[in-house]
Amino acid sequence: QVQVVESGGSSVRPGGSLRLSCTASGFTFSDSYMTWIRQAPGEGLEWMSYISDGGEARYADSVRGRFTVSRDNARSIVYLHMTNLRNDDTAMYFCSRGRIYSDFWGQGTRVTVSS
Amino acid sequence: QSALTQPPSVSGSPGQSVTISCTGTSGDIGRHYNAAWYQQTPGTAPKLIIFEVRNRPSGVPHRFSGSRSGNTASLTISGLQPEDEADYYCSSYTDTSVMFGGGTKLTVL
Repeated sequence: QVQVVESGGSSVRPGGSLRLSCTASGFTFSDSYMTWIRQAPGEGLEWMSYISDGGEARYADSVRGRFTVSRDNARSIVYLHMTNLRNDDTAMYFCSRGRIYSDFWGQGTRVTVSS
Repeated sequence: QSALTQPPSVSGSPGQSVTISCTGTSGDIGRHYNAAWYQQTPGTAPKLIIFEVRNRPSGVPHRFSGSRSGNTASLTISGLQPEDEADYYCSSYTDTSVMFGGGTKLTVL
């Protein structure tokens, strides 16, 4: 069955960096767009980025220039490289399959940015 | 990247119907004729319940339905069940981004 599993979340100081991973299985990863979405505590969903099957990425204004998405099709993993982290990046980070809509989601990995 | 507009909360009694609206612009919902809806209960990941305005993924009950008129998409839940109490989010997209509504909390009275 389709599975998406995020990992790599942790606590980090403002200005720090972190790399999240999303490991997929149960579908043809190399043919699929993958998306990162986050949710701050008590808040709604915020789209951050998607990456095409060919590796082309798009970003939300709030993270462009600080976050980079990449993928390893051989290992069915998509990465979210986060730099210059700010307090307001504190959130649960979800990985999902799809671009226009996300049909399968992971359970999320928590990132806390605090001094 | 403006968010889509949803009412913060709606409520209904078991067996009743409720409709949640999602207003965008001519650049997203109005242009691409595309909206999706997600259901999220506390502590869990969102679950896709409607895609491409009106289509239900396998396993989603028929009491969930979607529609669109102009720049507004709507989610209707008929025959409310207690387990429908959750947060509901709409989403749409432009050529280069995706956006979500602020979310609507559904309370089943």
